[in-house]
Amino acid sequence: GQNIDQPTEMTATEGAIVQINCTYQTSGFNGLFWYQQHAGEAPTFLSYNVLDGLEEKGRFSSFLSRSKGYSYLLLKELQMKDSASYLCAARNQAGTALIFGKGTTLSVSS
Amino acid sequence: SQTIHQWPATLVQPVGSPLSLECTVEGTSNPNLYWYRQAAGRGLQLLFYSVGIGQISSEVPQNLSASRPQDRQFILSSKKLLLSDSGFYLCASVIITGELFFGEGSRLTVL
Repeated sequence: GQNIDQPTEMTATEGAIVQINCTYQTSGFNGLFWYQQHAGEAPTFLSYNVLDGLEEKGRFSSFLSRSKGYSYLLLKELQMKDSASYLCAARNQAGTALIFGKGTTLSVSS
Repeated sequence: SQTIHQWPATLVQPVGSPLSLECTVEGTSNPNLYWYRQAAGRGLQLLFYSVGIGQISSEVPQNLSASRPQDRQFILSSKKLLLSDSGFYLCASVIITGELFFGEGSRLTVL
């Protein structure tokens, strides 16, 4: 079976750091993706991990531990515009599809 | 660069009516194409994917169908809509760097 879990909601304040966790159980694994989705819009790609470790892209970093089936997205220096839903997704072994979690809605306040 | 056009952007349909959502991809050839649905309060659910013309894989049983009549055209259809078909339908393609790239989506409300 396939299951991806992430918290439903998180809140944080401007300038802070927030970590969004994701655990996955998939029949085969071929990469972990993070997407950002603003209300009413399509998701946009943030990051991709296929090997264990940390990938850094500006204010956003993503970490993967394949042995633990665990990833997190780290957002630094939060801005109001970071208020959005963050989707964790695992690619299946065949590489033919991404399976998404339900998303974590992040609210950033001033 | 690749672009994905979806239409219509929004539509309101009565229960039992037919549906046709279209997706056209530009800037690439022979793409893997996907239809996802996002219902209120739920995650993105993979409905169909296609690796080529006439090749459709269905991920969940439902009253929807998909077709790929041309290399860069992907169509989602239904003969009779249900209330539960309401949602945000997203067409996507895998781009060269390996991630999914989404179209702007079609929002369907079934009344």
